[in-house]
Amino acid sequence: GAVVSQHPSWVICKSGTSVKIECRSLDFQATTMFWYRQFPKQSLMLMATSNEGSKATYEQGVEKDKFLINHASLTLSTLTVTSAHPEDSSFYICSAKGRGNTEAFFGQGTRLTVV
Amino acid sequence: AQKVTQAQTEISVVEKEDVTLDCVYETRDTTYYLFWYKQPPSGELVFLIRRNSFDEQNEISGRYSWNFQKSTSSFNFTITASQVVDSAVYFCALSEGDSWGKLQFGAGTQVVVTP
Repeated sequence: GAVVSQHPSWVICKSGTSVKIECRSLDFQATTMFWYRQFPKQSLMLMATSNEGSKATYEQGVEKDKFLINHASLTLSTLTVTSAHPEDSSFYICSAKGRGNTEAFFGQGTRLTVV
Repeated sequence: AQKVTQAQTEISVVEKEDVTLDCVYETRDTTYYLFWYKQPPSGELVFLIRRNSFDEQNEISGRYSWNFQKSTSSFNFTITASQVVDSAVYFCALSEGDSWGKLQFGAGTQVVVTP
C-alpha cells in the first residue's frame, strides 16, 4: 500500500509558541490531504481538506488562522498550530490521497502537548 | 448528524471469547465505502478493511470477520477467539462519493481483552 510519513511523532511546546507538523507521501503524489484531530478518549474529527496548490477547506468550528495548512507540493502538506495553548493538546493525524483514487492513507500521527 | 454510530463504548471479554462490534451508518449515496480501523494505545491507525457499497459479501481474514448488510445499514466486525493483543479502540468509518478519502468516523469501541 501507499506510504504516508508524518513528523514529528510527538512534540511538547510552550504555550504561545507555534508548532509545525509535516505529512509526506513517500511513494505517490498526494493531490489531496486531510488533517484530523483526536482529543483524548474521543473520535477523530476532520479539521480540513487541502488540495495541492489550493487553499485548504476548513470544517466548521476550526479556526483557519490558528491552524495553518500548506500543501505546496504533491508530496508534502504541513499543519502549523500557531500560538498554541494547552487546549490544543491533542493527537493530530493526516491522510493523503492520489488523483483519481478513492482511498486515503494515514500517517502515524503526532501527539502534541502544550505546556 | 452522526453518520456513523458505534453504540458500544467499551466491551470487555476474557481471552478466547468472541467479540462483535456494531456499526450502523447513514448515507444517501448509492456508492460509498466503509472501513474499520484499529487504534492501539500507541495511537497509530491500523487499517483493517475497506468495503464498497456494491459488495455485500461477508469477509473473513484470519480471526477477523465482517458482516455487511445494506438492508440494515450495518457493517459489523467480529473478532473470533480474542487475544490480549486485540485490546484497542476500533473505529468504523464512512467515505461518501462527494469527497473520496474524507472519512467520517464513529465514536469508537474500546475492546479490553483480559487473560
